[in-house]
Order: sequence, then structure tokens, then C-alpha cells
Amino acid sequence: DQQVKQNSPSLSVQEGRISILNCDYTNSMFDYFLWYKKYPAEGPTFLISISSIKDKNEDGRFTVFLNKSAKHLSLHIVPSQPGDSAVYFCAASGWGTYKYIFGTGTRLKVLA
Amino acid sequence: EAGVTQSPTHLIKTRGQQATLRCSPISGHTSVYWYQQALGLGLQFLLWYDEGEERNRGNFPPRFSGRQFPNYSSELNVNALELEDSALYLCASTTGQGVKNTEAFFGQGTRLTVV
Repeated sequence: DQQVKQNSPSLSVQEGRISILNCDYTNSMFDYFLWYKKYPAEGPTFLISISSIKDKNEDGRFTVFLNKSAKHLSLHIVPSQPGDSAVYFCAASGWGTYKYIFGTGTRLKVLA
Repeated sequence: EAGVTQSPTHLIKTRGQQATLRCSPISGHTSVYWYQQALGLGLQFLLWYDEGEERNRGNFPPRFSGRQFPNYSSELNVNALELEDSALYLCASTTGQGVKNTEAFFGQGTRLTVV
């Protein structure tokens, strides 16, 4: 049972445009969500997070939106840069879960 | 400040053998998580250790086990290796009591290949 889903395995975007990565979850007990970026042969690095008491969190070029009623979150990258090309994982946790549940990842390719 | 370190970076084992993977958390972090990333799949939760105790485990067979030492470093052991155990094994650490509204920091991973 995949509780966190990233339905788009890959995404290509032109440099300078917006990248939108999506993530859906099924467990209503999740209350903290994160995005990680992963380059080949490296561990995931933390990008941005959002608590369920918010619906938006910004950090520079990265913005995460949370729609609790739809159990959906998205990561917006504006403007996209070639160095953003990586696999992006969303993750969720909740009270009592004590671990992150990860999605399967979306491979973003930013074209120069 | 040193990040999460894992060793070895690569490991090749024969089917049926045992593999031992090691992880040193960030200084001050007491929780260690292990994840498996098999080809084409996301990160699958394996084990969580905190303050020397196993607190939670994922849906993996008992031949996946581990421990956490008094200095909070951790070891993952995989017994009776099978070909499908070939994967990237990632360790992450957080401050104590698990992932309560805090991010986990990952090591670079150990690539285990079973032949």
C-alpha cells in the first residue's frame, strides 16, 4: 500500500520556466511533509518542508503548497536551472509514525 | 561539522552471504533510520533506532537486522543475501525521538550488489 505517491516518474522543463512536482498521500494522520533532492551516487538532501497547519512555505526559488482536503502537495521551482536536474522525493510523517514515508520520486530534467 | 557518514560506499557479496553496513550520525543526533532504495523504487523504510533501541521496523524479513551502539552509530546486517537485496542502502539521522517536525539528514549510501 503506497501511502505517498508521485505519479509522474519524470518531468522535463526549459531553463527559466517553472517546474511543478506533485505528490499525493492517503493517510490523513500525516501532518508534516518534506521534499528531498537526490543526485546520482549521493544521499538525498533536504529541500523544504511544510507543516499541516500551513498551506504554503517558501524558500528562495522553492515553494511547497499543501492542499489538505485533496491530500495533495506540490513543489514549485521558479526559475528552473540546469543544476536542479535530479530526482525529487516527497516524504510524509505523522504523529506516532516516527518515520518518513517516501514517494517513488520524480526525475526532473531542466533543459538549457 | 561532519554529516552522516556511511561505510563502505560499495559492497559486493555472493548470494547466501552476510553483509554489514555502517552508519555514523551527525554529532548530537541520537536517532538513526535505515532505508532501502531498490532500482526504480522509492526509499523503503527498514529500521529506526533511538537511544540504542530498535523503535520501529518496516515490512522487511527478519534477516534484515541491526543495532545502535552507545555512541549512536549504527550497523545494518543483512543475512542470507538474495539477489533482490541489491540496492542502495541509506542511513539518516535526526535529533532524538524520531521525526517530529524535523528533517532527517542522509548519508551518501552504501551500494550493495549481490551476485
